[in-house]
Amino acid sequence: GAGVSQSPSNKVTEKGKDVELRCDPISGHTALYWYRQSLGQGLEFLIYFQGNSAPDKSGLPSDRFSAERTGGSVSTLTIQRTQQEDSAVYLCASSINNPGGASGYTFGSGTRLTVV
Amino acid sequence: AQSVAQPEDQVNVAEGNPLTVKCTYSVSGNPYLFWYVQYPNRGLQFLLKYITGDNLVKGSYGFEAEFNKSQTSFHLKKPSALVSDSALYFCAVRDPLNTGGFKTIFGAGTRLFVKA
Repeated sequence: GAGVSQSPSNKVTEKGKDVELRCDPISGHTALYWYRQSLGQGLEFLIYFQGNSAPDKSGLPSDRFSAERTGGSVSTLTIQRTQQEDSAVYLCASSINNPGGASGYTFGSGTRLTVV
Repeated sequence: AQSVAQPEDQVNVAEGNPLTVKCTYSVSGNPYLFWYVQYPNRGLQFLLKYITGDNLVKGSYGFEAEFNKSQTSFHLKKPSALVSDSALYFCAVRDPLNTGGFKTIFGAGTRLFVKA
C-alpha cells in the first residue's frame, strides 16, 4: 500500500481480555517495528522484524506481549490478559533496511488502546 | 547500548524567531541520527537524518540539524519559526554497529509551541 496501515485505530477493552493489533507495512519494506507511546511519554521500542531473521524482542515489557509477522508482510501484536498500564498508542513502522540501517521509518497512524 | 536525551520538555518561541530543539546522544561508534515530528492528531513523520558527510543536514519544512561529534549533539534548528511548526519533536539514534540491535531509540520528545 501507499503507507503503513494499522487497525483498529481505536480499541477499548476490558481488563483481562486479549487484544490483537494489526500492521500492514509498505510493500517492499523488509523491516517492521512496533513501538508504544504512552501519554506524556516518548516512544518505547517493543519488537523489530527484519526479513526472515529472528525478531529482536528485547523491548517487550512482559510475556503477555507477543508479535508475529506472516510471510514477511503483515504483523500482529498480541497482548494477553490486558492490564490498565497497557493503555497507550501502539505504533507500527516499516523501512527499507539497507545494510547499516540508514533508512528513516514510515509510521502508521497507530492504534489507541484503552484498557478499562 | 545507544541512548538519546532531549533535555527540554517544552520549547516556547515567538513566530518569526529562530528555534532550537536540543538533542544529545550516546552510542559506541559513529551514530545514525534522526528527527521526527508528530503534529496533533497525526502520525509521526520523518523530518531529516544524519548518516555521514556534511555535519549540517537539511530536511523538510525548512528544518535543519547540526551534528556535533565532540559534543555528541544533534540539535534541530529553523531560522524562522511558524505557528504551524507547533508539534512534538522526537530525536532518535541508531548504532550502525548494531551493538544494541537493529532498533532505533527515540528520545522522550520535546513539545514546540510557537506563539503568533
